[in-house]
Amino acid sequence: QVHLVESGGGVVQPGRSLRLSCAASGFTFSSYAMHWVRQAPGKGLEWVAIISSDRSYKYSADSLKGRFTISRDNSKNTLYLQMNSLRLDDTAVYYCASPAGARYLHLWGQGTLVTVSS
Amino acid sequence: NFMLTQPHSVSESPGKTVTISCTASSGSIASNYVVWYQQRPGSAPTAVIYEDNRRPSGVPDRFSGSIDRSTNSASLTISGLTTEDEADYYCQSYDANSHVLFGGGTKLTVL
Repeated sequence: QVHLVESGGGVVQPGRSLRLSCAASGFTFSSYAMHWVRQAPGKGLEWVAIISSDRSYKYSADSLKGRFTISRDNSKNTLYLQMNSLRLDDTAVYYCASPAGARYLHLWGQGTLVTVSS
Repeated sequence: NFMLTQPHSVSESPGKTVTISCTASSGSIASNYVVWYQQRPGSAPTAVIYEDNRRPSGVPDRFSGSIDRSTNSASLTISGLTTEDEADYYCQSYDANSHVLFGGGTKLTVL
């Protein structure tokens, strides 16, 4: 069965860092690009970052001003999101997602909640 | 900045047909494919339309998508509405750097 499982969310103070993980199973993780998408409470979807299958290309949304970094370890079938200098408005559910061969974001995790609060 | 604008909410009765629009702020909506996602409360999004008008496997043909170049918009049409269709719907395309861009989302109420 195909699964994406996020972890690492929690409550963090403004200005601190947090690293999210996304464990993949049931498909050839190393063959596909991966994305992070977030959703603030009661708000819409916001694309966060992308990394190519071989890590040669990675990009984070301009609005994040370089605070977030996406990475992956294909030997561990795991995607990461390093979040630095967290702000109150970074509070959101963070989803990992992948096209996994489709022409859209076909696979999604269940999301992990990050709450930035003092 | 390129944006996709959706109505905040729409409502319609069971059995009826509803259309949700997604308007591009600049450039041509037809320059990149549009995807539509359905998101029920507490769940991750799932695609109901991709490449403007194609349905993923398992999505009923009550869901259809189209592009209107004259209004620079994409549309999602759902016919034969049921209460199960009540959800948030998001359009998605790509910005000038070919990165994923979502519309603001539309809450569909079936009453």
